Amino acid sequence: DAGITQSPRHKVTETGTPVTLRCHQTENHRYMYWYRQDPGHGLRLIHYSYGVKDTDKGEVSDGYSVSRSKTEDFLLTLESATSSQTSVYFCAAAQGRGTEAFFGQGTRLTVV
Amino acid sequence: AQSVTQLGSHVSVSEGALVLLRCNYSSSVPPYLFWYVQYPNQGLQLLLKYTSAATLVKGINGFEAEFKKSETSFHLTKPSAHMSDAAEYFCAVSEYNNNDMRFGAGTRLTVKP
Repeated sequence: DAGITQSPRHKVTETGTPVTLRCHQTENHRYMYWYRQDPGHGLRLIHYSYGVKDTDKGEVSDGYSVSRSKTEDFLLTLESATSSQTSVYFCAAAQGRGTEAFFGQGTRLTVV
Repeated sequence: AQSVTQLGSHVSVSEGALVLLRCNYSSSVPPYLFWYVQYPNQGLQLLLKYTSAATLVKGINGFEAEFKKSETSFHLTKPSAHMSDAAEYFCAVSEYNNNDMRFGAGTRLTVKP
């Protein structure tokens, strides 16, 4: 996993509550990504970061926000969780454009 | 924005048969292209990548892919499937002037004994 750690690995939460997922990397990669994986949709990009405090929206950013105050940490927040956000969330990190992305083990989030 | 389309959500082959997984991309500028593999309950790992050097790219575990600009394709092949190749495979694209990376919907490969 090249030093990518996601926490928590599993979470069950109630509709309407805020949730924060954490991604931590130890390799000083500049780029970091949050994806969600759902059957039939593959991985869809939620948000990404290309440096500390530099973030941008991906394909499915509604209802999500991110923050990156340090190179090693990239936080994904579900502002008010909904059942449609039940998914497996993956974090990835890469040194630069066109370079290999290294993935965490995923976080399985269930919103009830 | 760039995108990839993977044709076939499920592919089934017999052990020893040719594996062909299809990927077509859409990009307005030269792309970086990748194939990743995901084993059950794990994250993704890189099989191979195209970054505008050779058009035929060799990866790990005997996989290779050929970049065909005229067909906007980057299909993944392996001459002889092994049982251990059963997994989900994802094609991904990034552009040299863009900071994000987009994935296809994935193709689940089943290998029959």
